[in-house]
Amino acid sequence: DQQVKQNSPSLSVQEGRISILNCDYTNSMFDYFLWYKKYPAEGPTFLISISSIKDKNEDGRFTVFLNKSAKHLSLHIVPSQPGDSAVYFCAAFHSGGYQKVTFGIGTKLQVIP
Amino acid sequence: ETGVTQTPRHLVMGMTNKKSLKCEQHLGHNAMYWYKQSAKKPLELMFVYNFKEQTENNSVPSRFSPECPNSSHLFLHLHTLQPEDSALYLCASSQDWAAVVYTGNQPQHFGDGTRLSIL
Repeated sequence: DQQVKQNSPSLSVQEGRISILNCDYTNSMFDYFLWYKKYPAEGPTFLISISSIKDKNEDGRFTVFLNKSAKHLSLHIVPSQPGDSAVYFCAAFHSGGYQKVTFGIGTKLQVIP
Repeated sequence: ETGVTQTPRHLVMGMTNKKSLKCEQHLGHNAMYWYKQSAKKPLELMFVYNFKEQTENNSVPSRFSPECPNSSHLFLHLHTLQPEDSALYLCASSQDWAAVVYTGNQPQHFGDGTRLSIL
């Protein structure tokens, strides 16, 4: 049973527009959430994180929103650039103990020039 | 030099072979991890080493045997694998396990992975 779900396997967006990647989780104990980006033939790289005490975290073109009541988070990329084309993984964990980081299956984003 | 280096990048082996995957990190981190990524599945944590001590074994079959001789090196010894073990094996490191768990600001740094194919 997947505790972190990324229900959209792929997304295509025009360059300059907003990309919105969604992630849902089922474990209410999760209190830290991360987004990783992965290019083909490379390992995932950390992008941005958010703790459950916040509902928004922004870093340049990337903003993550957290809706705890809905157990939903989203990553917004604006404006989208062709170099953003990659697979995006959502991940979550529960702090305060030896809890593993649980990853979603990923969403492949294609930004069309 | 990249932070986390994995060798080999690709490996094809028969079910009776013995091989090892190697991971090396140059970031001064104290925690290292092995993950498995199968097609259409999320990343699955296999093993965690914190300060050279194994802190987690996520119900991994004994045909996978990890070794962490020091904080910079991590090996995954493979023996008598099955076709379903074909996957991308990713190594990662972080400052330490507690930093990942407690701060959320110490993300894991991943290597580029070893693509393993079992014949």
